[in-house]
Amino acid sequence: QKEVEQNSGPLSVPEGAIASLNCTYSDRGSQSFFWYRQYSGKSPELIMFIYSNGDKEDGRFTAQLNKASQYVSLLIRDSQPSDSATYLCAVKKNSGYSTLTFGKGTMLLVSP
Amino acid sequence: DAMVIQNPRYQVTQFGKPVTLSCSQTLNHNVMYWYQQKSSQAPKLLFHYYDKDFNNEADTPDNFQSRRPNTSFCFLDIRSPGLGDAAMYLCATSRERGQGYEQYFGPGTRLTVT
Repeated sequence: QKEVEQNSGPLSVPEGAIASLNCTYSDRGSQSFFWYRQYSGKSPELIMFIYSNGDKEDGRFTAQLNKASQYVSLLIRDSQPSDSATYLCAVKKNSGYSTLTFGKGTMLLVSP
Repeated sequence: DAMVIQNPRYQVTQFGKPVTLSCSQTLNHNVMYWYQQKSSQAPKLLFHYYDKDFNNEADTPDNFQSRRPNTSFCFLDIRSPGLGDAAMYLCATSRERGQGYEQYFGPGTRLTVT
C-alpha cells in the first residue's frame, strides 16, 4: 500500500460544479494534512491544511478529515476554469521530525 | 513580501558537469527543504536543514549535496549530473519541523541535462 494515495484523474467537472478530490493515507498516526495546488510547470502552492477531524472551510475550498477511515478530501465549490490544475495531498507522518509525504496528485479539469 | 526565492529558474548543464542551485528565504524559517520532482510524479524529499542540522533522506544519491551557510540561504549541489537528474528542483521552508507547521515552496528550478 502506498503511503499517500490519490486518483490520478483527470477529474473533469463543468464550470460552477463542485469538485471533490480524495486522498487516503496509510500511517494511522499522521496528524497534519495539507492540500497543494500545482499548475503545469509551476511549484506547489498551499491551499488548505487541516489537523482535526471534521470540516474546515476557506472561501470556495473545504477540507474534510476522517482519521478513523484515514482519508482526507478537498471540495471546491463553484469550480472555475482557473482551478484546473493538479492537486497534491500531503501528510505529515507521526515520525520524529515529521517531514511531508506527498501523493502523486489528482489532475482537475474544469470546462467552461 | 516574505517569500522563497530560487535561482536560476531554468538551468541547462552538461552530463557530468557540476551544477549549483540556490534558494533564499525572507520568512526567517528554521527549516529548509530540497525536493526533486519529475513529470507526473510526487515531489521527492532529498534532504532538509533544521537550522544548521543537516538531515539526508536514506535514498538520496551521494551525487546530491547541500549547504546552508546561514538562515536565509540554502544550496543544492549536483556533483556529476546524469540524464536521470533532469527534473524540477523545489526549495521549501517551514517555521518548525513538528506537526502543524506548513511548508511553503519557492518557484522551482527546472534542470535540463544535455
